[in-house]
Amino acid sequence: DTAVSQTPKYLVTQMGNDKSIKCEQNLGHDTMYWYKQDSKKFLKIMFSYNNKELIINETVPNRFSPKSPDKAHLNLHINSLELGDSAVYFCASSQDGTNSGANVLTFGAGSRLTVL
Amino acid sequence: GQNIDQPTEMTATEGAIVQINCTYQTSGFNGLFWYQQHAGEAPTFLSYNVLDGLEEKGRFSSFLSRSKGYSYLLLKELQMKDSASYLCAVRDSDYQLIWGAGTKLIIKP
Repeated sequence: DTAVSQTPKYLVTQMGNDKSIKCEQNLGHDTMYWYKQDSKKFLKIMFSYNNKELIINETVPNRFSPKSPDKAHLNLHINSLELGDSAVYFCASSQDGTNSGANVLTFGAGSRLTVL
Repeated sequence: GQNIDQPTEMTATEGAIVQINCTYQTSGFNGLFWYQQHAGEAPTFLSYNVLDGLEEKGRFSSFLSRSKGYSYLLLKELQMKDSASYLCAVRDSDYQLIWGAGTKLIIKP
């Protein structure tokens, strides 16, 4: 059983298109995240979300929007794709959104987006 | 600004010991994490330090000195499967995770 699963694993699309990446976790975690890993391998937080609060990294363009139908799912929608959006997008989850203890992240396998 | 520094790449021999360093300058400190990421795969949690000292977990150990803004990950009895990138991340005063770019570790027979 995959703890955090995201689809698709690979996505190749044209500039200007709209696309979505889906994420599901079966760990019963309260908080989910979207990260972007660029070509330099830095992981950058895009969003974190639990039932109560959506936290948006202010540097993320508003073309990106998270949508959470329920606690186990956090999908990422991207409008008007640009070349610079090409990256690997990781979904992750953690037990809760509190800041105590380790609050370890469990990551999905990643979705590699290529914008042509 | 906030910054995490790690060497870009290191090479070690199977069976040997390697130490991967991480230095950080962040606005506050609420814990330091090490994650392992094999090529094309997801990062996986290795260790967490919030107090000074050494945390040992099998072949892997992680050390923290908060006064020096310094941590290291020590890998013993290296195996070929340890070839991966090792990511250092610090949780700042706003409890946001700041990530380093990772150290690519190459293990040679």
